[in-house]
Amino acid sequence: DTGVSQDPRHKITKRGQNVTFRCDPISEHNRLYWYRQTLGQGPEFLTYFQNEAQLEKSRLLSDRFSAERPKGSFSTLEIQRTEQGDSAMYLCASSLWGGTYEQYFGPGTRLTVT
Amino acid sequence: AQKITQTQPGMFVQEKEAVTLDCTYDTSDPSYGLFWYKQPSSGEMIFLIYQGSYDQQNATEGRYSLNFQKARKSANLVISASQLGDSAMYFCAMEYGNKLVFGAGTILRVKS
Repeated sequence: DTGVSQDPRHKITKRGQNVTFRCDPISEHNRLYWYRQTLGQGPEFLTYFQNEAQLEKSRLLSDRFSAERPKGSFSTLEIQRTEQGDSAMYLCASSLWGGTYEQYFGPGTRLTVT
Repeated sequence: AQKITQTQPGMFVQEKEAVTLDCTYDTSDPSYGLFWYKQPSSGEMIFLIYQGSYDQQNATEGRYSLNFQKARKSANLVISASQLGDSAMYFCAMEYGNKLVFGAGTILRVKS
């Protein structure tokens, strides 16, 4: 069990550029979540997948954000036309639906938009 | 709406002593789950302990225990025998509709 991994760990981009983050969940986990965490705050839910189906999206997820989990394994989160307000830590978590309740988090991707 | 409140922005504790981190929650659902996570400076969220709303006994995991008082809607985390490695941000969270709702967190500093 290698845990949840995220790539890249850090991303610096200029305003207006597109960025894509990747998350690899724990292999047997069928649920995958994306959260966003700004400085001094707790994580806020963005979206989650069960297998390849995206079951819920937060109102925080504007039209510039899109997430996919094409084969029910890894997931990508893309932000188009980045804005300075997108600067945050993007956390991915996974869990086993029908198993224990906890979500296991990855190390996060820290995005800085200049 | 579900809400988690952590009223202590920061706490200090002497090494080897116990510390309690406060958490209150608000929900109208009879079935819910409560979690505590630790976030060191590296950024990764580490699961510590879980309490279900129907669990009769307080949850314990090693040096961590959850003081669950349902009528008061509180779920305080107790860390016994604090270690320097316990210095981190601690978040209380509630499971709501298949996602977690987090509080603002408490920074814990363990002094030697």
